[in-house]
Amino acid sequence: DIQMTQSPSSVSASIGDRVTITCRASQDISSWLAWYQQKPGKAPHLLIFGATSLQSGVPSRFSGSGSGTHFTLTIRSLQPEDFATYYCQQASSFPPAFGPGTKVGIK
Amino acid sequence: QVQLVQSGAEVKKPGASVKFSCKASGYTFTSYYIHWVRQAPGQGLQWMGIINPDGGSPSYSQKFQGRVTMTRDTSTSTVYMHLSSLRPEDTAVYYCARDTGITMTNNWFDPWGQGTLVTVSS
Repeated sequence: DIQMTQSPSSVSASIGDRVTITCRASQDISSWLAWYQQKPGKAPHLLIFGATSLQSGVPSRFSGSGSGTHFTLTIRSLQPEDFATYYCQQASSFPPAFGPGTKVGIK
Repeated sequence: QVQLVQSGAEVKKPGASVKFSCKASGYTFTSYYIHWVRQAPGQGLQWMGIINPDGGSPSYSQKFQGRVTMTRDTSTSTVYMHLSSLRPEDTAVYYCARDTGITMTNNWFDPWGQGTLVTVSS
């Protein structure tokens, strides 16, 4: 099975900051990577798929990059509604697997 | 709009079984696969399996093989997941989520149901 790791596990940031989260896969997954946002008590929400494609309705301040085993999610200018936990997920092979999550908190 | 509505919270004793439901609306039920994902309190997301509402055999995570059964009812656009031999570590929120691929699996999950909390305790 493919294992996913994320760093950092948590980050504190201010409104307007640029935030970058890293995700690594234990083997090459090409561009088969998604990012999800989850707020407390809510279901996750798909932000990015195919490593770089923005899901419909997601603000353009979110962007994804990378391929192979190394990926990043960038939030260009952090907004109040962006404080949440972010998960990466590989979709290259079964079973799909999620990273452990990165919590973005208020500084 | 596309929506997945899940059944309500349950409290179960160790060794019991639970059956979740996930009712789909706003799209052609048989055109999109449904996944099940769970999240233990304060923990990350764990994929459990996938079912094709149009038929065929579901595929389950090895971790749950033998304890999980996924079924569907096309007449009510509902997917079910049965989990048996419950233990305290099965306490979690269980989500259904639609695959984004049409008649195929991309393994991208959107949208998600609201989740069902199962508490396993003696």
